[in-house]
Amino acid sequence: EPEVTQTPSHQVTQMGQEVILRCVPISNHLYFYWYRQILGQKVEFLVSFYNNEISEKSEIFDDQFSVERPDGSNFTLKIRSTKLEDSAMYFCASSREWDQPQHFGDGTRLSIL
Amino acid sequence: QKEVEQDPGPLSVPEGAIVSLNCTYSNSAFQYFMWYRQYSRKGPELLMYTYSSGNKEDGRFTAQVDKSSKYISLFIRDSQPSDSATYLCAMSALLDSNYQLIWGAGTKLIIKP
Repeated sequence: EPEVTQTPSHQVTQMGQEVILRCVPISNHLYFYWYRQILGQKVEFLVSFYNNEISEKSEIFDDQFSVERPDGSNFTLKIRSTKLEDSAMYFCASSREWDQPQHFGDGTRLSIL
Repeated sequence: QKEVEQDPGPLSVPEGAIVSLNCTYSNSAFQYFMWYRQYSRKGPELLMYTYSSGNKEDGRFTAQVDKSSKYISLFIRDSQPSDSATYLCAMSALLDSNYQLIWGAGTKLIIKP
């Protein structure tokens, strides 16, 4: 069964550094998403992406965050200047249509030192 | 009032028991209802997806939606220790011209051998 893959599984970065999290969504999916989950807390929506542009973003997704689909298969989340509070699991998801269920990757654990 | 309410648990039951997990919601515009299972340090895994009131069965899992009461349930029959995980409800609708997926907080389920 096709799946969403994310790399790396764990990223350790110094505060203030830039980090790029990578995702390969399911190949025939058109909608892409990033979520964050701080340890022990709820899954939080960051951003959705469709047709090469952001369709919706949350308050968390400020100017430090950006997303890109650099080619036909990858979908990336960039954090420009990381803060301690950015430490969390970051999940990528994709869906075939907006009203179809989202399928998640296993996440990247981001640790900011 | 939160849009989606879900008891965080933990809910601890003996192996073989029938498990009932529930979410309530306040916005009658929600049209699509999902249950996800999340193991520790893994991404949410889609279990069930429904868009109408009534029951949907898949193996040991039954999803129930009651739109009149704004209440959804997930039943697990013949529960196994491998079912121990956090179960998240999620529901979606087109709100203010934006597709929104709203998550419950997740219920931690423990199946005791």
